[in-house]
Amino acid sequence: DAGVTQSPTHLIKTRGQQVTLRCSPKSGHDTVSWYQQALGQGPQFIFQYYEEEERQRGNFPDRFSGHQFPNYSSELNVNALLLGDSALYLCASSLGQRSYEQYFGPGTRLTVT
Amino acid sequence: AQSVAQPEDQVNVAEGNPLTVKCTYSVSGNPYLFWYVQYPNRGLQFLLKYITGDNLVKGSYGFEAEFNKSQTSFHLKKPSALVSDSALYFCAVRDMEDSSYKLIFGSGTRLLVRP
Repeated sequence: DAGVTQSPTHLIKTRGQQVTLRCSPKSGHDTVSWYQQALGQGPQFIFQYYEEEERQRGNFPDRFSGHQFPNYSSELNVNALLLGDSALYLCASSLGQRSYEQYFGPGTRLTVT
Repeated sequence: AQSVAQPEDQVNVAEGNPLTVKCTYSVSGNPYLFWYVQYPNRGLQFLLKYITGDNLVKGSYGFEAEFNKSQTSFHLKKPSALVSDSALYFCAVRDMEDSSYKLIFGSGTRLLVRP
């Protein structure tokens, strides 16, 4: 039973560029949440996708957008990258929007230079 | 506003000794509470949760946590620490009354268990 997978593992981008991160949820899960974990800090909620729609959103600018596909996998897109976007981006999946058990992937380390 | 505080950046303990990692929370309604552990270059691994019921919750790898409503705390404990327990620990809360299903995380506590 595959857990949550994310790609790529590491990514280096330049300021102003755009990036797409990918997440495949745990088998049987239909809800995906994205979190940003800056160095030395706890994860911060970006948004949640359920039934291919953004259902909840944290305090992040519109430069952060996402998508969920019919197979429940998800993408996180960040436009006009800033140095401050450098972080570990974590994907978490759950069964149902209201589920209190979230399973996290290993994350994608994004470095913006 | 919902928040989680982990007052210690680092906790040091000798192998075989008991350990405690502290967490306090603030929510407007009733809380769901969680502990996660993060090893280097890994995602978050779920340890345990409190939803309702017994205030003492048992989780993975011998860890347990005690929910104290009056002190708004949810401290993580283990009777006998192992060197392999050394990692970064995060406390998280979700407000049951909030229609948002997001987790609010603390800033993390690094646990160092020395041989």
